[in-house]
Amino acid sequence: NAGVTQTPKFRILKIGQSMTLQCTQDMNHNYMYWYRQDPGMGLKLIYYSVGAGITDKGEVPNGYNVSRSTTEDFPLRLELAAPSQTSVYFCASTTMEPETQYFGPGTRLLVL
Amino acid sequence: GQNIDQPTEMTATEGAIVQINCTYQTSGFNGLFWYQQHAGEAPTFLSYNVLDGLEEKGRFSSFLSRSKGYSYLLLKELQMKDSASYLCASMDSNYQLIWGAGTKLIIKP
Repeated sequence: NAGVTQTPKFRILKIGQSMTLQCTQDMNHNYMYWYRQDPGMGLKLIYYSVGAGITDKGEVPNGYNVSRSTTEDFPLRLELAAPSQTSVYFCASTTMEPETQYFGPGTRLLVL
Repeated sequence: GQNIDQPTEMTATEGAIVQINCTYQTSGFNGLFWYQQHAGEAPTFLSYNVLDGLEEKGRFSSFLSRSKGYSYLLLKELQMKDSASYLCASMDSNYQLIWGAGTKLIIKP
């Protein structure tokens, strides 16, 4: 099993550009999450999903959008990139709460 | 508000024991997680406590006191590969994880 995979690993964006961060899991997990991790800070929840077709906002959703059309995929969309969105983005999944969350390798995003 | 506090950095010697403390304050409580994160990598699960007491798992143990809003992670027989950040996270009433900033553990030979 590949677990949770994320693409790309690293990306540089110009202010105002848009992009989609991809996340796929092959463990048939219902719950999926997007976090951002800034230096010296704890992970912050951006969006989460409890199953296909269901998404909800986390602590820091502004500037982001998500969709969950399948159990496997949970892409994160940035519409108008801003320097404040420079961060490391982690996708995670789990079978149910409060079980262990499994993390993807992360996407490093730099907005200049 | 919701808050997780843990030391920013700790240093220990190879072969020794170290205890990393965490205090939490969340809206409701559904358990306390510890994750390990090596530099440039994703967090990986270490332990989960929902009842008071000590949970032992090999060289790592985790303790919880719900009345005190307190947990610690105990690492024994430290190895160089244990150099990493250790993240404490409390699960709130909405089953969302509230994360601490992490404790960077430096192991010296």
